Amino acid sequence: EDQVTQSPEALRLQEGESSSLNCSYTVSGLRGLFWYRQDPGKGPEFLFTLYSAGEEKEKERLKATLTKKESFLHITAPKPEDSATYLCAVSHLTQGGSEKLVFGKGTKLTVNP
Amino acid sequence: DTAVSQTPKYLVTQMGNDKSIKCEQNLGHDTMYWYKQDSKKFLKIMFSYNNKELIINETVPNRFSPKSPDKAHLNLHINSLELGDSAVYFCASSQNPSGTGGFYEQYFGPGTRLTVT
Repeated sequence: EDQVTQSPEALRLQEGESSSLNCSYTVSGLRGLFWYRQDPGKGPEFLFTLYSAGEEKEKERLKATLTKKESFLHITAPKPEDSATYLCAVSHLTQGGSEKLVFGKGTKLTVNP
Repeated sequence: DTAVSQTPKYLVTQMGNDKSIKCEQNLGHDTMYWYKQDSKKFLKIMFSYNNKELIINETVPNRFSPKSPDKAHLNLHINSLELGDSAVYFCASSQNPSGTGGFYEQYFGPGTRLTVT
């Protein structure tokens, strides 16, 4: 079963229309939650790391928050250049004591001018 | 200056062939990774090397063999290529504070699109 689920799969916004992307996870033993941005034909670009529930981080128009079961990436007054696929990844401890990294399938964001 | 570079960017080959993808990072990081991104854009970790030592080897066919000649380089050799190997392969690097294990902020290369015909 999916351990990291991102929703929605795709989101279209008008420039200036704020919204949120969701990343929910079912793993236990969370070690960290990562947000990346990926432009077409390029590698993912690191945005944020969150380690514990209640933590928040901001960068320009983006703000990431974390609860015990999910993370939100809030986009305030987005611009067309924010269009990209946003990936969430979770690192967690397995029962065997090793650490695993699992990516979600991403949310493709399109911001229309 | 390119932080993480991969060559080649595109690779088209026939089934059964052997091919290699090279990766170099100039960030001074001690950990490097290989990922596979399939046609549905799902990104999965394949291998991780820390200071030239293999620390993560996910369920990957043994036709895939990573090699790390030094901390700045991690190459991926694939034997007997199959149609299902077609994907984009990403190299990444990170600096791990503890020196072992764990996942931290990663820097990705531009990817190598492998097409097996």
